[in-house]
Parts: sequence; C-alpha cells; structure tokens
Amino acid sequence: SQQGEEDPQALSIQEGENATMNCSYKTSINNLQWYRQNSGRGLVHLILIRSNEREKHSGRLRVTLDTSKKSSSLLITASRAADTASYFCATDEFDTDKLIFGTGTRLQVFP
Amino acid sequence: GAVVSQHPSWVICKSGTSVKIECRSLDFQATTMFWYRQFPKQSLMLMATSNEGSKATYEQGVEKDKFLINHASLTLSTLTVTSAHPEDSSFYICSAPGQGIWRNTIYFGEGSWLTVV
Repeated sequence: SQQGEEDPQALSIQEGENATMNCSYKTSINNLQWYRQNSGRGLVHLILIRSNEREKHSGRLRVTLDTSKKSSSLLITASRAADTASYFCATDEFDTDKLIFGTGTRLQVFP
Repeated sequence: GAVVSQHPSWVICKSGTSVKIECRSLDFQATTMFWYRQFPKQSLMLMATSNEGSKATYEQGVEKDKFLINHASLTLSTLTVTSAHPEDSSFYICSAPGQGIWRNTIYFGEGSWLTVV
C-alpha cells in the first residue's frame, strides 16, 4: 500500500534556485529514503536518514526528518537542469525491508 | 555497475498471452525480493514480497493468480504476468536488500517496460 504523500506534485524552477519537496508518512519507521527517477528509468538512491536523525546533508542535498510530525523534506540547492526528474520518498515498514513509496514530486528545472 | 539485473528491459506482448520478467541479484544472495509496478506519472506501488523457497506475500488488491512470483534460487525471482491485458501495461521494477554491511541498502533493478497490445 502506498502510504507517503508528497507535495508539491509538480515543481518548476529556474536553474540556480532551490527546490524543496515534502513528504509525509503514516506509520513508525526505521529510516526514510529519498530516490530520484528520470523519466522511464530505474531509481537512483539519493540519501537515507535514520529515525534518530533530524538532518542530513549530501552535496547539494539536505534532508530533514521530523518523526513527531511524520514528515521529511528534501532540499536541492543551486538546482541544475540535470536535476529535472521525479523524486520519491520511501519509508520502510518496521522490521522489514519492504519500502513504501510516496506519491512523488516531478521537478522541472529550466536552464 | 548494477547489482540487481532485470530482464527484459522492454517487452511487447499480445493480449491474452503471458510474460515473464526476471530479477537477478548479482554477486549476492537475496532471500527476499520485492516487486513494484509503476503506471505513467505515478508512484511505485508494492505488489508483492518474493520469498526464496516459499510462497510470495501479496499486497492487498494484487491478484496472486494473475501475477505469479517464483523465487526458486537465492539470486533469481521471476514475475509472470498471466493472460495479460492492455491495462497491465506498466513499468515493473524489482528490488533486493543487500547483505552484511550493506544490509540496510536496497538495490533496485533497472525496471521492465511491459506493453500489452
């Protein structure tokens, strides 16, 4: 079952701007992950944040996690046209490797 | 390089026929694999958990007789779409959890596009 809701559903920005995507989930988790998917392609793992972490950075990516609100955000700074893709959050069901994906955000970065 | 391989990447079949998609873990064993389906412009929906040596566990609403899953070895799971119909046309993608120090890493295949005509 699909448990994560993401917003916005679609986001269009200019190169150089920051892009923020939000994800909300429903159950207890071990960790939350963000993935990127180019149109019609497989998934690329971006970052994993554990339930006891509040913020994590990786290059131009910044992820926050608020377990009390059951929400996470992904910030892409100084966006590039090559960042154009769909972005999904995914949470694991507690004690399983089963990943449940959010609805996704389609990001379009214009040069 | 890919650690989970799917085959075929693209397949077109006639309505009413069956199609098999393979998911292989390369250089590691996967006692569990997961199958997802993704319709255009939608998210990935978990279909089932493939368990090596035992029956697959299907998510609610997924027809187990239509989507046959076989996990006969520690490196191979297959998804067979039986009596395919145009509405089964979708992107199917599998995943497998890593082992050892990669235990918390989930590896995804490149996906398989199915078009039923």
